[in-house]
Amino acid sequence: GAVVSQHPSRVICKSGTSVKIECRSLDFQATTMFWYRQFPKQSLMLMATSNEGSKATYEQGVEKDKFLINHASLTLSTLTVTSAHPEDSSFYICSASVLAGETQYFGPGTRLLVL
Amino acid sequence: GNSVTQMEGPVTLSEEAFLTINCTYTATGYPSLFWYVQYPGEGLQLLLKATKADDKGSNKGFEATYRKETTSFHLEKGSVQVSDSAVYFCALNSNDYKLSFGAGTTVTVRA
Repeated sequence: GAVVSQHPSRVICKSGTSVKIECRSLDFQATTMFWYRQFPKQSLMLMATSNEGSKATYEQGVEKDKFLINHASLTLSTLTVTSAHPEDSSFYICSASVLAGETQYFGPGTRLLVL
Repeated sequence: GNSVTQMEGPVTLSEEAFLTINCTYTATGYPSLFWYVQYPGEGLQLLLKATKADDKGSNKGFEATYRKETTSFHLEKGSVQVSDSAVYFCALNSNDYKLSFGAGTTVTVRA
């Protein structure tokens, strides 16, 4: 149980285009989902927290207009990187929990490469 | 604020060796403590957790005990295998429901 999927697993796009990443909880309903970014050989950096049906809460320094997060249902959250640039290339990982404060289950990650 | 400090790597071991990765934390309130493992090219998997002082989390031969007096949650395994090669992250979850991660420790086990 507690499986979280992400799609796509890998994406390459041109600079200036937008990319949407999906995060799904497959066998449980997730009230809260989190989006992280991980640079090579570094730890995870929390970008934002999203609660179903409400606006996401962004961490300091994360541009909410650039990283659009939608948590439309209890099993799906999306992260859209708008007008992507090479510096946005990274490994994006989502996690989901049944309730805020409970164990987070992580997706396999999406590797984004912006050319 | 909350913070997690874990042993810097990389750590290289031979198969069947004993593994210890130190983790200490600073937190307000009464945090839950976690170890996550990340295999190459993959996301994080929960390895084990402990939610209160003196709890021992265990899974796949790994153990960690929540020590409030030393604010530590060291990860141990008595006999590692090549398949244990991965990056290990210590983390805590406190009152604001956010996970704070350590920097990660890369472990390589040689046959």
